[in-house]
Parts: sequence; structure tokens; C-alpha cells
Amino acid sequence: QKEVEQNSGPLSVPEGAIASLNCTYSDRVSQSFFWYRQYSGKSPELIMSIYSNGDKEDGRFTAQLNKASQYVSLLIRDSQPSDSATYLCAVMNAGNNRKLIWGLGTSLAVNP
Amino acid sequence: DTAVSQTPKYLVTQMGNDKSIKCEQNLGHDTMYWYKQDSKKFLKIMFSYNNKELIINETVPNRFSPKSPDKAHLNLHINSLELGDSAVYFCASSLGHFTGELFFGEGSRLTVL
Repeated sequence: QKEVEQNSGPLSVPEGAIASLNCTYSDRVSQSFFWYRQYSGKSPELIMSIYSNGDKEDGRFTAQLNKASQYVSLLIRDSQPSDSATYLCAVMNAGNNRKLIWGLGTSLAVNP
Repeated sequence: DTAVSQTPKYLVTQMGNDKSIKCEQNLGHDTMYWYKQDSKKFLKIMFSYNNKELIINETVPNRFSPKSPDKAHLNLHINSLELGDSAVYFCASSLGHFTGELFFGEGSRLTVL
């Protein structure tokens, strides 16, 4: 069973700090990795995608991928209370019957 | 204009009834999905269609039947509703079925009494 694992949290950080969210995956040949944000009572929203080893930055968000360690992370710099949400990691499996494998999500609380 | 829209947003119904949820996307995407998110917040894919063709059909009871009249629409009909069907059902779309960049609708919260 291919899996994506995340710490459910809650992860609590003070406003202005760096929030670090982690995700591991079991399918070694996965190629595409995604972070979605889901506010309470709302639908998931794509915030980052990453396809190559290394870092990818977009504003206050940085996604980091290490395929050798089967590990993908999301850093949120200068965390704001509006970043409080559940962050879902999703991994596209390989092969012809591709589909996203989802983690359970990490709940982030940014405290003013 | 809402990119992916679902109706209705809320359904409250009795066990044994039949209900439908409709979804439409105006993004010009080829692929559409139905996801179920239960009370534990796990997001589980149910079906995906690519250009009206069924691509993914997860282990879902036969009571659930999707229908895609065209690539901009994907509906979900549920027969003989059970208590365990209570969840939020999300429709989503993507450019194609090889991308994980999905656009979600607002969700339809189904409560079975």
C-alpha cells in the first residue's frame, strides 16, 4: 500500500516564526509532489508543487524535496494567523493508472 | 465566475433515500474528480473522468454512480443512502489526468439521518 505520512499536529508557532511541515512517502518512483492548504470548512487549495530535488520558493512558501530520503517539506516564513489551516501533502504515484496519494494533513496554528 | 461549482452545498436526508450532486467546471480542463472527505478529514478519491471516460473507479459501493455528460460536467448519484455516507463530497478538475494540480469545488456536505 503506497502511503503518504504527515504528523497530524497541531503544530503551533508564534506569529512571525517559521513553520516547518513535513511529509514522507513510500513509493520510491513518485515524481510529483504537492502541498494543499485547507481552511476549516473550506475546500483544499493548491499552494505549491515541486518536481525536482531541492528547494522551490514562492513568496513566503518554500517547498523542499529530497527523493533519496523520500521526504518533502513546506516552510512558511513570517507565519501569519491567516496561515492557520490544515496542510495536505499529496504525491502522484507512478505508472499508467496515476492518482494522487494524500496524507492526512498537518494542522497549523499561528498564534498572534 | 466560480471555476468549479457544485450544487447543492448542503443535503440533509433520511437513510434509504437517493440523492444527486452536480458539478460543473469552466476552466476548460479535461479531467474531473469526485472526492469524499469524512469526519477524520481524510481525502479519498472516488472517481475520475478524463474527457468523459472513466479513468479511476476506486472501491466504492455500487450505490454510487458517476455520470459525465460532457467534459465540463460530472455528476454523482447515490442510491439507498446509509449513515456512513455522511461526509463532504468535493468535485475537482485538472488539465489532465497526469497532473496533481487540482482545482476543487466548495464541497457538498451530505448528512444522512
